[in-house]
Amino acid sequence: KQEVTQIPAALSVPEGENLVLNCSFTDSAIYNLQWFRQDPGKGLTSLLLIQSSQREQTSGRLNASLDKSSGRSTLYIAASQPGDSATYLCAVNNYGQNFVFGPGTRLSVLP
Amino acid sequence: DVKVTQSSRYLVKRTGEKVFLECVQDMDHENMFWYRQDPGLGLRLIYFSYDVKMKEKGDIPEGYSVSREKKERFSLILESASTNQTSMYLCASSPGLPLAKNIQYFGAGTRLSVL
Repeated sequence: KQEVTQIPAALSVPEGENLVLNCSFTDSAIYNLQWFRQDPGKGLTSLLLIQSSQREQTSGRLNASLDKSSGRSTLYIAASQPGDSATYLCAVNNYGQNFVFGPGTRLSVLP
Repeated sequence: DVKVTQSSRYLVKRTGEKVFLECVQDMDHENMFWYRQDPGLGLRLIYFSYDVKMKEKGDIPEGYSVSREKKERFSLILESASTNQTSMYLCASSPGLPLAKNIQYFGAGTRLSVL
């Protein structure tokens, strides 16, 4: 059964820092991996999708990488801003239609 | 833009009531999902549907049922609400195929309190 973990569980950084969030999964036979952002009390917003054949995806200040063989993905946030404060979740798709979510990393960017 | 709409942002119900949570998507997606999210437990899949009138149990289906009579609408039903069903409920949809590009879109969530 696929298991997804995220480290760290929480992270607090000063504004302007570059940071890395980690996502690990146990079964490397995945179709894709998706990173989400969740603001308190809200739904999930999709940030990036990496297909199994891809190594990385970029959107603005966000860069996500995928290493299937080691079961890892990282989300790199450049020049962090207070508006980046949220919980970041990764989700793996290896059952075709279903997704397995990690527990999330709660990020606080301090002004 | 894909839009997934949940009918209520907040609901307060009494123990034993029958509760309906409605979700509508506007992108003709094949798949729809219901999750609940609790502190420390993350997102847990309750039910999902691959097509109209089809449903599959997720990880925690006990105490819930679903209905998908039309492609765009997926309803979650709590037959007899209990206090342990107090939670944030999230609906999602995805196109399905191709699998490598199968991406989930979420609604804003419904926070349900059962008293």
